[in-house]
Amino acid sequence: GDSVTQMEGPVTLSEEAFLTINCTYTATGYPSLFWYVQYPGEGLQLLLKATKADDKGSNKGFEATYRKETTSFHLEKGSVQVSDSAVYFCALIAAGNMLTFGGGTRLMVKP
Amino acid sequence: SAVISQKPSRDICQRGTSLTIQCQVDSQVTMMFWYRQQPGQSLTLIATANQGSEATYESGFVIDKFPISRPNLTFSTLTVSNMSPEDSSIYLCSVRLTGEKLFFGSGTQLSVL
Repeated sequence: GDSVTQMEGPVTLSEEAFLTINCTYTATGYPSLFWYVQYPGEGLQLLLKATKADDKGSNKGFEATYRKETTSFHLEKGSVQVSDSAVYFCALIAAGNMLTFGGGTRLMVKP
Repeated sequence: SAVISQKPSRDICQRGTSLTIQCQVDSQVTMMFWYRQQPGQSLTLIATANQGSEATYESGFVIDKFPISRPNLTFSTLTVSNMSPEDSSIYLCSVRLTGEKLFFGSGTQLSVL
């Protein structure tokens, strides 16, 4: 079946550091890929998405590129802020049309 | 961990009627979330339900259309009111306990004719 694997947290960074959160997937066909973010006390929000190979999703300084050859969709940001502290979820939709989530990665950014 | 029972699992409804979806969690949680997943689309947050206070709705969703109840720390309902075919979606409740793992109900697949 479909699955998403993302790096375990917590990831602790200083402000303005470079962020990478790894995400790899297994799916049939050509899934759409997503990153969601959940800030403390709030629901999930869609951060960015990519629907086909080599697409790059971007939002709020975050980027992720759909790499079919490595079945990856790593999340990156060049300079994190304290306000980026949250839990990040990688997810996919494949043929089954239901979202499959990774386990979540907590990011803590210190001033 | 958490076990979430959501019902009904699916329903076919007539235009203009209402459907109430129930979500029962096997542990006490402060916040429960209701999401909609339209066919082939990603999740959209409808509202956040806190016990003892009114639900907080996201932009594009209103209480008259999606009334929510949260009578205690283990239970919530979402009603889809005055339904139209555009409301055909999968509706999910969700909680996140301490830590990162998300827990979802099994979803309610709603078709409106």
